[in-house]
Amino acid sequence: ILNVEQSPQSLHVQEGDSTNFTCSFPSSNFYALHWYRWETAKSPEALFVMTLNGDEKKKGRISATLNTKEGYSYLYIKGSQPEDSATYLCASAQSSTLGRLYFGRGTQLTVWP
Amino acid sequence: GAVVSQHPSRVICKSGTSVKIECRSLDFQATTMFWYRQFPKKSLMLMATSNEGSKATYEQGVEKDKFLINHASLTLSTLTVTSAHPEDSSFYICSAFRTSGDGTDTQYFGPGTRLTVL
Repeated sequence: ILNVEQSPQSLHVQEGDSTNFTCSFPSSNFYALHWYRWETAKSPEALFVMTLNGDEKKKGRISATLNTKEGYSYLYIKGSQPEDSATYLCASAQSSTLGRLYFGRGTQLTVWP
Repeated sequence: GAVVSQHPSRVICKSGTSVKIECRSLDFQATTMFWYRQFPKKSLMLMATSNEGSKATYEQGVEKDKFLINHASLTLSTLTVTSAHPEDSSFYICSAFRTSGDGTDTQYFGPGTRLTVL
């Protein structure tokens, strides 16, 4: 079992604040790092898949970075909005078990208007 | 993103009965689908990998006779919880695996099924 850690476990911010969370994963046999956004009663939505060290991806106000050598990824949300409230999951894939994802527990973000 | 449906979204059953959960990939063919279970305040735990046309691969500690998986077509996988007991009450969620060939292979998830066994 791969140990994928996410912090913080939960976060409460005011509308307009920028925020970031961390995902750490074992760097050995690294293949890909996935970020998902999971709103209550909906399907987890794939945000990013990153494979290369130094990768940066952006989708609107959300961006992510990847450091495969030290085994961490950051997810940033600029100018948080109430609709950003969700649980953000990261998952790591190893080269030895292609397709299989190891999930962290998620960061639950609440954005207050 | 791709669309995966899961049915039912919520089911309550009596102890000893069997429950079938369906997972459908609506807009692409999925040779591989995954079944996860989530315990309260825990991460998604992989139960098994469902392979179209062949037997599922179960994770260590998951009873294959308890959790029957059938992947009869490229768009449908089913999970049957046989002789369900209260300890099987949980949140079950499936995903369909879409390959890209460039390392950005992605799992697309259904909305999950909340099973309560009385």
